Amino acid sequence: DSGVTQTPKHLITATGQRVTLRCSPRSGDLSVYWYQQSLDQGLQFLIQYYNGEERAKGNILERFSAQQFPDLHSELNLSSLELGDSALYFCASSAEAGAGTNEKLFFGSGTQLSVL
Amino acid sequence: AQKITQTQPGMFVQEKEAVTLDCTYDTSDQSYGLFWYKQPSSGEMIFLIYQGSYDEQNATEGRYSLNFQKARKSANLVISASQLGDSAMYFCAMRDLRMDSSYKLIFGSGTRLLVRP
Repeated sequence: DSGVTQTPKHLITATGQRVTLRCSPRSGDLSVYWYQQSLDQGLQFLIQYYNGEERAKGNILERFSAQQFPDLHSELNLSSLELGDSALYFCASSAEAGAGTNEKLFFGSGTQLSVL
Repeated sequence: AQKITQTQPGMFVQEKEAVTLDCTYDTSDQSYGLFWYKQPSSGEMIFLIYQGSYDEQNATEGRYSLNFQKARKSANLVISASQLGDSAMYFCAMRDLRMDSSYKLIFGSGTRLLVRP
């Protein structure tokens, strides 16, 4: 058990809908990262938050947004869903922002999103 | 730009034998870290081993070792004494360690390992 909790584990929805994925980082970790794993794109970094502030942005679509709350949990909001958004969405956490350190990234078990 | 290449989509190994999973990387950074993660069929990503670009010795973690050849830009994972539970997808990943960087990991496409009894 990595200590990173993601809910829900599975999500089935229709095109055009909006969903929210939730992540609780390991106790004490200040950074949260979101990754998308799809068959065609592989594992891609979406966005990072550190202590409530956006720290880095990757290949995140404008239809997607995220935030980190004062209790450090994070939510990834996906709107106007398309078939191609079907993927496994991972949340990961680390203690620091990552700069200059070799610390590991701890991943949650992921949320499997199916858009029908 | 950083890039990770894993050229073996799938591999078989006999139980109790050793196996090497290949990983090559491309970066212009001098300071970077290399990681291997395991993803079993249940889906979670499990950290296995880490190698820093300035580490002089190859990293080892139990049955896992990393064969780091900096000049060739390769970071192969060696699993000794394979077990049935080692059957999974294995991902090589990299991040730069510059002070102004985030923890963004760049992943390879993965290698699916199947351990035969």
